[in-house]
Amino acid sequence: TQLLEQSPQFLSIQEGENLTVYCNSSSVFSSLQWYRQEPGEGPVLLVTVVTGGEVKKLKRLTFQFGDARKDSSLHITAAQPGDTGLYLCAGARSGGSNYKLTFGKGTLLTVNP
Amino acid sequence: EAQVTQNPRYLITVTGKKLTVTCSQNMNHEYMSWYRQDPGLGLRQIYYSMNVEVTDKGDVPEGYKVSRKEKRNFPLILESPSPNQTSLYFCASSLGVGPGIGNTEAFFGQGTRLTVV
Repeated sequence: TQLLEQSPQFLSIQEGENLTVYCNSSSVFSSLQWYRQEPGEGPVLLVTVVTGGEVKKLKRLTFQFGDARKDSSLHITAAQPGDTGLYLCAGARSGGSNYKLTFGKGTLLTVNP
Repeated sequence: EAQVTQNPRYLITVTGKKLTVTCSQNMNHEYMSWYRQDPGLGLRQIYYSMNVEVTDKGDVPEGYKVSRKEKRNFPLILESPSPNQTSLYFCASSLGVGPGIGNTEAFFGQGTRLTVV
């Protein structure tokens, strides 16, 4: 069962354009994380959002957690070729003895010069 | 430098030949896990460990074994590899298992690309 749906699956844009990537679920998460993965490397954490409605900014990247803590978005302003990579969202659910992360399948972003 | 180290990075083996992929972290993290990443399927958890001598199955444990004899090491064992285990494998560690904001943030190794022929 895929608990986290990411869209779009693929995105190819020109340098300077803006874009938004979505991460949606029917489940509530205690926190949601965004990772970026470059070819041949492991995912690297970008940000964690915890509070419903929370907005975090990381230079040209803006992350938002939905009010109900079921969904999140990542907005990139003026994309650059260095933003190219696989963007993964991951939800953490607490409770019981299992604090596992559930990953979405990712959005593969290509920014063309 | 804080890191998760996997070895080997690349491995080609034959069906049925036992292999071990090692994983070590130097951050004193309690929680460690193994994932496989396949096109169209994303990252799927194989096994995880909440502490020394405490391991449990993830979403796709069949054909894999793990052990956690020491806090820093979490090897993945394939007793009898099959071609459907050809994949990109990642080890990850997290600070702990509590609900605190930093506890579940995962640090990943660089991956092991395994091919079983």
